[in-house]
Parts: sequence; structure tokens; C-alpha cells
Amino acid sequence: EVELVESGGGLVQPGRSLRLSCAASGFTFSAHSMTWVRQAPGKGLEWVARMNGDGSERYYLDSVKGRFTISRDNAQNSVYLQMNNLRAEDTAVYYCARGGAWYEYWGQGNLVTVSS
Amino acid sequence: EIVLTQSPGTLSLSPGERTTLSCRASQSISSGYLAWYQQKPGQAPRLLMFHASRRATGIPDRFSGSGSGTDFTLTISRLEPEDFAVFYCQQYETSARTFGQGTKLEIK
Repeated sequence: EVELVESGGGLVQPGRSLRLSCAASGFTFSAHSMTWVRQAPGKGLEWVARMNGDGSERYYLDSVKGRFTISRDNAQNSVYLQMNNLRAEDTAVYYCARGGAWYEYWGQGNLVTVSS
Repeated sequence: EIVLTQSPGTLSLSPGERTTLSCRASQSISSGYLAWYQQKPGQAPRLLMFHASRRATGIPDRFSGSGSGTDFTLTISRLEPEDFAVFYCQQYETSARTFGQGTKLEIK
């Protein structure tokens, strides 16, 4: 059974950093791209970043370029989102999802709140 | 960036009715690289369709997708009580993926 479990969210002050993790199980992790999607409170879904299976390709939402970095450790079956210089508008539930095109499997989501 | 515009914003319908949700792209999605998701409150999204018209695993056949170019639709042939939720389209034509803003389907 495919399972994705996010961790690392919480309350953080503007300008500070946070690292989200997503632990995967139930499939061959290195064979799949992984994606981060976020959802601000009461708002729609917003694609954030994706990385291919071997980590050689990364793509980002324009508003997070230079601040967020997606990475993965295939030995640990995990994908990460390093978020630096956080802003209030980054406040959202962050989901990891399996795939680089469409997303059949999603984590439960992890809330990141950026506030002083 | 491909902007996806969904309409209507909200639909109020009754169980048993048929409905069509629209997703219009700001530029052509030439390969039909479009997916649809359903999201209920407090839950992660659920994949319904990919490649515009292919049902995901376990999705009932009352859901169908169609379209090409810039205009895509999701049709639910006969609404069941569990179908009421927010629906999103998403394109994977370009390197940076995008979602539509969503259509809320509510019980009348």
C-alpha cells in the first residue's frame, strides 16, 4: 500500500526557515517523480515544486524560486522541501504527492503557519 | 504559465442530477495533459481523471472527462450524495504545473 507521511510543519516567524519531510513507502521510490502542492486556508490548490526520480530535474513555482529547494534521498525513501525566507503568504497546508504529471497518491498534509 | 479558469465557481444541484464542470486553459494543452481532482473538507485531493479522459483507478464510471486544446469538461452523469465536494483541474503540459481555482459542487 502506497503511503506518504509529511512532517516538519508548524509556526514560524516571517523571514525564518523550515524544512518539510515526506516519507514514502509501498512503492519503488526512486522510480517516481515527487511533487509538493500547497493550499492556503480556505483557498485552492497551488503547485509548488517537483523533482524527478534521480533528482536531476527540479521545477518551481515562480513565487518560491530562490527561496524553496526540493530535494530527495532515495536511500531513505524521502523527499524534502527546504523553505527559506518564509512569508505570510506561504501559510498553507503542504502536501507531498507521488508523480510529476498527475498525482494519484497524496500525503495527509502538513500545516505551515508563517506569523510573528 | 498556463492559467486554468474553472466555471462555474459554485454549482447547487440535487442527487440524481447530471452536471458538467468546465476548465478553460489560457493556451492550448496540445496533448490533453489535463487531470481532474475531487477534494472534500479536511481531506487530500483525490485523482479522478488524467490525460483528460482516462479514469483513475477505482473511479466510478459516472465520472467522465473530455476536451482538447483549451476547453475541457468533467461530467458526472448522476450525482450521488458523496460526490458533493470541490473539483480542480490541473495541467501538466508545461514544466511548471498549474491548477484551476476550483468549482464547488454543493447540495441544493
